[in-house]
Amino acid sequence: EDKVVQSPLSLVVHEGDTVTLNCSYEVTNFRSLLWYKQEKKAPTFLFMLTSSGIEKKSGRLSSILDKKELFSILNITATQTGDSAIYLCAVDRRGTGTASKLTFGTGTRLQVTL
Amino acid sequence: DTEVTQTPKHLVMGMTNKKSLKCEQHMGHRAMYWYKQKAKKPPELMFVYSYEKLSINESVPSRFSPECPNSSLLNLHLHALQPEDSALYLCASSQGRAGLRNTEAFFGQGTRLTVV
Repeated sequence: EDKVVQSPLSLVVHEGDTVTLNCSYEVTNFRSLLWYKQEKKAPTFLFMLTSSGIEKKSGRLSSILDKKELFSILNITATQTGDSAIYLCAVDRRGTGTASKLTFGTGTRLQVTL
Repeated sequence: DTEVTQTPKHLVMGMTNKKSLKCEQHMGHRAMYWYKQKAKKPPELMFVYSYEKLSINESVPSRFSPECPNSSLLNLHLHALQPEDSALYLCASSQGRAGLRNTEAFFGQGTRLTVV
């Protein structure tokens, strides 16, 4: 059975801190790993990672994948209160034709305080 | 337009009611999905449609019946639901086209369903 494990489950930091969120996975026929941010309802897409060792960056957020050790990290630097959300890691498998089959981790709940 | 639109935003229904959730996207995506999300849990895949055909049903009870009338629309018909079916129902779409690199799934805002 596919498994996606995120840590920590929750985190409280002060504005300006840097945080690292972790995602490890056991999935047959791995295709890609995705990070989403969920505030109230819709998960919003952050990154899709398919190749090991290539960092993806968007502003203060960055992410990298290690396909040998089967994990990914999401870094957020200079955190702001607007970064408070649940961060979801999901893994997509091959073998589902052209569609995705995402298995989500339990998420990391990040709270950024003033 | 990178939007997936879901209606209604909220729905309260009795256990004997029949209702439908609707989802629409105009990004030309050929893969559409229904996910169910209970409070404080991650989304769980229910159904996948690829080119308007049902390709994955994750052993969902028959009281949930999906329908894909065309490439832009996805419905979820609900009948004889139980209180434990109360959840946020999320629709998503992705590129899903043969010969193209698959892209991320875009999610709608969801329908918060309460079964009483």
